[in-house]
Amino acid sequence: DVVMTQTPPSLSVAIGQSVSISCKSSQSLVASDKNTYLNWLLQSPGRSPKRLIYQVSKLDSGVPDRFSGSGSEKDFTLKISRVEAEDLGVYYCLQGTHLPLTFGSGTKLEIK
Amino acid sequence: EVQLVESGGGLVQPGRSLKLSCVASGFTFNNYWMTWIRQAPGKGLEWVASITNTGGSTYYPDSVKGRFTISRDNAKSTLYLQMNSLRSEDTATYYCTRDWDYWGQGVMVTVSS
Repeated sequence: DVVMTQTPPSLSVAIGQSVSISCKSSQSLVASDKNTYLNWLLQSPGRSPKRLIYQVSKLDSGVPDRFSGSGSEKDFTLKISRVEAEDLGVYYCLQGTHLPLTFGSGTKLEIK
Repeated sequence: EVQLVESGGGLVQPGRSLKLSCVASGFTFNNYWMTWIRQAPGKGLEWVASITNTGGSTYYPDSVKGRFTISRDNAKSTLYLQMNSLRSEDTATYYCTRDWDYWGQGVMVTVSS
């Protein structure tokens, strides 16, 4: 199974600061079709998860461009520029290249 | 508007069965793969099962393979998860998701005697 190592486990940031979350996979996430199926999800408190980014860097509709994804092969990063109060929650990376599909353990973002 | 509404959860004894449903609306159901995800209380997300848009292929992790069955009725725009031989470790909120971009509100399953 592909292990997704997500760091840090938690972050506490002030409004307006920028943060980065790392996700490293135990295998390359480049699929046979040359796409890389790495997603970033946010689960706000008491809510269902919501996808923010797919295929490493593509923003879902309605997601502010303060969010950005980057990386390749086995090393990926989610960056949030100018954090807002609504960004609090738990962020997960998810790989969709290899079965079984696997998630990172989550990063809890708190607002100072 | 895309909507996914799960139902069928509840309290069940170990070893018994339960069937979850997820009714979809607002999109062409038979164009999309569908997936079940679960989240144990206070824990992270775990993939449970996926099914292709036609229902022709299904996929499971080892933790549920042979006990859970994902299926769909495209005429009814409904996704199912048949869960047999339930264990305490299956206790979780179960979510259905359309290709990860839309999620239901979740349904709680508690396995306990």
